[in-house]
Amino acid sequence: DIQMTQSPSSVSASVGDRVTITCRASQGINRWVAWFQQKPGKAPNLLIYEATFLQSGVPPRFSGSGSGTDFNLTISSLQPEDFATYFCQQVHSFPLTFGGGTKVEIK
Amino acid sequence: QVQLVESGGHLVKPGGSLRLSCTASGFIFSDYYMSWIRQAPGKGLEWISYINIGGTTTYYADSVKGRFTISRDNAENSLFLQMNSLTDEDTAVYYCARVTRSFFFDSWGQGTLVAVSS
Repeated sequence: DIQMTQSPSSVSASVGDRVTITCRASQGINRWVAWFQQKPGKAPNLLIYEATFLQSGVPPRFSGSGSGTDFNLTISSLQPEDFATYFCQQVHSFPLTFGGGTKVEIK
Repeated sequence: QVQLVESGGHLVKPGGSLRLSCTASGFIFSDYYMSWIRQAPGKGLEWISYINIGGTTTYYADSVKGRFTISRDNAENSLFLQMNSLTDEDTAVYYCARVTRSFFFDSWGQGTLVAVSS
């Protein structure tokens, strides 16, 4: 099984800050990574697919990068509505696996 | 717009069974793969099952293999998850998700809570 190690597990940041979240896959997965945002009590929402492609309707302050084993999600200028938990997921092979999550909190 | 609505979750005793449903609308259900994902209280996301369009190919996480069965009815725009031999470790919110041809989960339902307790 492919393990997705996500870091940090939490980050405190202020509105306007640049935030970067990292996921490392236990083996090469090309660009088969997605990123999700989840707010309390809500379903996850797809932000980025295939490592770098922005899902329709997602603000351009979100961006993804990486290939192989190392991937990043960057929020260029944190907005109040961005305080949430973020998950990466690999879709390279079954079983599909998620990272442990990163909670972005208000500093 | 795309809508996925899960139902069937409730309190069940250990060893019991439950059948979850996911009703789709706003898109051509038979054009998409589907999956179930769960989230235990305060925990992360766990993918548990996948089904292809025709229902002929299914995959399961090891944690549910042999106990859970995924199925679909394209005529009724519905996805199902039959859960048997439930344990307290199956307590979670269960989400269904639409899966693109590249296996990305682009739409999710609101989830249904399954609680396993004596």
